[in-house]
Amino acid sequence: QVQLQESGPGLVKPSQTLSLTCTVSGGSISSGTYYWNWIRQPAGKGLEWIGRIYTSGSTNYNPSLKSRVTISLDTSKNQFSLRLNSVTAADTAVYYCARLVGGPDDSWGQGTLVTVSS
Amino acid sequence: QSALTQPASVSGSPGQSITISCTGTSSDIGGYNYVSWYQQHPGKAPKLMIYEVSNRPSGVPDRFSGSKSANTASLTISGLQAEDEADYYCISYTTSSTLFGGGTKLTVL
Repeated sequence: QVQLQESGPGLVKPSQTLSLTCTVSGGSISSGTYYWNWIRQPAGKGLEWIGRIYTSGSTNYNPSLKSRVTISLDTSKNQFSLRLNSVTAADTAVYYCARLVGGPDDSWGQGTLVTVSS
Repeated sequence: QSALTQPASVSGSPGQSITISCTGTSSDIGGYNYVSWYQQHPGKAPKLMIYEVSNRPSGVPDRFSGSKSANTASLTISGLQAEDEADYYCISYTTSSTLFGGGTKLTVL
């Protein structure tokens, strides 16, 4: 059973770049046909898909965030990462990484809270 | 505004059945048999309840079932129990995107 764990700063200043890493254990990030996703959830609100990266390295992003988002793979460390630039208070949320393909083995991390504040 | 439309809330009494709908388009729900349903309790990560429209992962009670008609997917919970009270989200997977519903809060009366 693959496991995912988010890590990164819990506090980011407005206008700066939010950077998070998802470490995958129990399986190789470069094997299989999986999408590695980032999702976020502001307090009291619903889940919002940020984007995904395929094992080949191709990416898809939420159109509403596309201009500010970059998702990348680091196969040597079995990790994938999120960068969200020019953040504002509206980007404050719990951020989840997840392996999603629409099947029974889909897995999520536990989530990490990122607060945007000066 | 979410890509997929779900009712904001539904409610039911213990033992009753409820259905949550998830409406998309022919480009997502209507075009693919990759619809998942997740249950989320407060402060917890989402838990997979249904995948590929109507399949249950091991460990999910058979009280939970899924279906799809045209551009609308549905999650039905029969024999409601208190622990079913949670938020439920649908997800549609396409070749170019992952689409989320806005979530439905289920209250067990």
